[in-house]
Amino acid sequence: AAGVIQSPRHLIKEKRETATLKCYPIPRHDTVYWYQQGPGQDPQFLISFYEKMQSDKGSIPDRFSAQQFSDYHSELNMSSLELGDSALYFCASSLPQGDEQYFGPGTRLTVT
Amino acid sequence: SQQGEEDPQALSIQEGENATMNCSYKTSINNLQWYRQNSGRGLVHLILIRSNEREKHSGRLRVTLDTSKKSSSLLITASRAADTASYFCATGSLGGANSKLTFGKGITLSVRP
Repeated sequence: AAGVIQSPRHLIKEKRETATLKCYPIPRHDTVYWYQQGPGQDPQFLISFYEKMQSDKGSIPDRFSAQQFSDYHSELNMSSLELGDSALYFCASSLPQGDEQYFGPGTRLTVT
Repeated sequence: SQQGEEDPQALSIQEGENATMNCSYKTSINNLQWYRQNSGRGLVHLILIRSNEREKHSGRLRVTLDTSKKSSSLLITASRAADTASYFCATGSLGGANSKLTFGKGITLSVRP
């Protein structure tokens, strides 16, 4: 069965650089969520989109922005990267009116 | 703020034994989900239990939910070495479907062959 696809899987950036993470949800899933998991931490919700509109916002820094496109894929844009942004970034998707969220393999971002 | 708090934080058992992990949460919820994560990898969805359900089974998994105590337990029966992973509970808030998940701190399960 198709799963959530995230790219790239690994990314190394320097401080103050920008990064773009991409997420392709499971087919027919219209809601996309982004989570950040720091080393040894639990995942923290960043932002979500439903039918291309932002549906909820969590602890996402102002330096980050995201959007969902007409094909339902989503991109997380991160600017002025800081060392503390080093983490695993997960994208998850769910069916319309669905509660179960299915996670992608994550993008490991390392900021040096 | 943290929603789900798991205990124990770490659990080590022998293959074939049962593993029980507990999770507590603070606010009213719509559902509670359990996930497994192998070291540094993706989160695998295990089971979802809704706030109006008390118990649910899926294969070797049994999850219970006590909304009066705001707690849940995940039981893995007849554990295998491949069950070694971190386990997280995550709660979906009230307010309809497609709500964000609030994760608790994971439980590290080690199953010795």
